[in-house]
Amino acid sequence: GNSVTQMEGPVTLSEEAFLTINCTYTATGYPSLFWYVQYPGEGLQLLLKATKADDKGSNKGFEATYRKETTSFHLEKGSVQVSDSAVYFCAPHTNAGKSTFGDGTTLTVKP
Amino acid sequence: EAGVAQSPRYKIIEKRQSVAFWCNPISGHATLYWYQQILGQGPKLLIQFQNNGVVDDSQLPKDRFSAERLKGVDSTLKIQPAKLEDSAVYLCASSWQGGGTGELFFGEGSRLTVL
Repeated sequence: GNSVTQMEGPVTLSEEAFLTINCTYTATGYPSLFWYVQYPGEGLQLLLKATKADDKGSNKGFEATYRKETTSFHLEKGSVQVSDSAVYFCAPHTNAGKSTFGDGTTLTVKP
Repeated sequence: EAGVAQSPRYKIIEKRQSVAFWCNPISGHATLYWYQQILGQGPKLLIQFQNNGVVDDSQLPKDRFSAERLKGVDSTLKIQPAKLEDSAVYLCASSWQGGGTGELFFGEGSRLTVL
């Protein structure tokens, strides 16, 4: 079946530090790839997505590139802010309409 | 555009009692999902509906969990009888269709505590 391996957390960074959260996956077919974010007290929401190999998804300064050869979709941000503190989930979405979620990586950014 | 609505937000019950959660997806979204999220873990799919038909319920513990989406719009998830290990947040999500580029839109979840 489909599975996702995310970098274990929690991750604690100082403001303006560089962020990488690793994600590798196994999935049937040719999935689309998503990062979702859950801010404290809120529901999950889409952060960014990529639908084919070598596509780069980006939003709010975050980026991730669809690497088909390594089945990876690592999340990066050059300079994190306190407001980026949240839980981040990597989720491939198959053509059958099924999303599989990683266990999430908790990010805390300190001023 | 209204988001995915869920209720109740919180529920505390004793083990062996029953509970029901309700979800109203975004208008026009054909696909509806119920996920279970245990503390510290990612969401795990329980059941997927396409309109009022079940697409995937392979991970639904059918001896105690049931779900329906009778008119292809809102949905109810029921647990009877509840066990301690059912303590979790139950997330409802919807998407325009179940295709490969489908973004999921989530409700805020229903947090269940079983004592």
